[in-house]
Amino acid sequence: EVQLLQSGGGLVQPGGSLRLSCVASGFTFSRHAMTWVRQAPGKGLEWVSDISGPGATTSYADSVKGRFTISRDNSKNTLYLQMNSLRAEDTAVYYCAKDRDLIPMAQGDYWGQGTLVTVSS
Amino acid sequence: DIQMTQSPSSLSASVGDRVTITCRASQSISTYLSWYQKKPGKAPKLLIYTASTLQSGVPSRFSGSGSGTDFTLTINSLQPEDSAAYYCQHSYISPHTFGQGTKLEIK
Repeated sequence: EVQLLQSGGGLVQPGGSLRLSCVASGFTFSRHAMTWVRQAPGKGLEWVSDISGPGATTSYADSVKGRFTISRDNSKNTLYLQMNSLRAEDTAVYYCAKDRDLIPMAQGDYWGQGTLVTVSS
Repeated sequence: DIQMTQSPSSLSASVGDRVTITCRASQSISTYLSWYQKKPGKAPKLLIYTASTLQSGVPSRFSGSGSGTDFTLTINSLQPEDSAAYYCQHSYISPHTFGQGTKLEIK
């Protein structure tokens, strides 16, 4: 059974940092691209970042470029999102998702449970 | 960046109805398009990928069509559990933007 277990959310002050983790099981992690998507309160879905299966290729939304870093440790079946210089507008529920393919194709067939990140003083 | 525009933003329909949601890309994206269902407090669910391929386990009343810039998601014989928000997302080139969403209410 495919599972994605997220951790690392919480309350952080503006300008602070947080690292989200997503531990995968039930599939060959290195053979699938992974994605982070967020949803701010009362808003729609926003694609944040994705990474290829081997980890060689990454992409970012303009809204987080230069502040967020996606990475993965295929030996630990774990996806990360390092979030620095956090702003109030980064407040959202963050989801990790497994892509159907090795390269990011925006085909998230399994998703984590979501983790709330709140940026506030 | 490629912009994705959905219409309508919201709609209300009755059980048994057929509903259609459209998604328009600001430039051609071939068939690099997926559709998701999102319910409050739940993770998104993949319904359709490559514009018209039904994801395993998704009821056959859901279907997708289109290529280039214009796409549709059709739900036949609407069921109460279809009450949700629906989003399109492209994967033609980064950033893989979502549409703004369509909120479907069941009367």
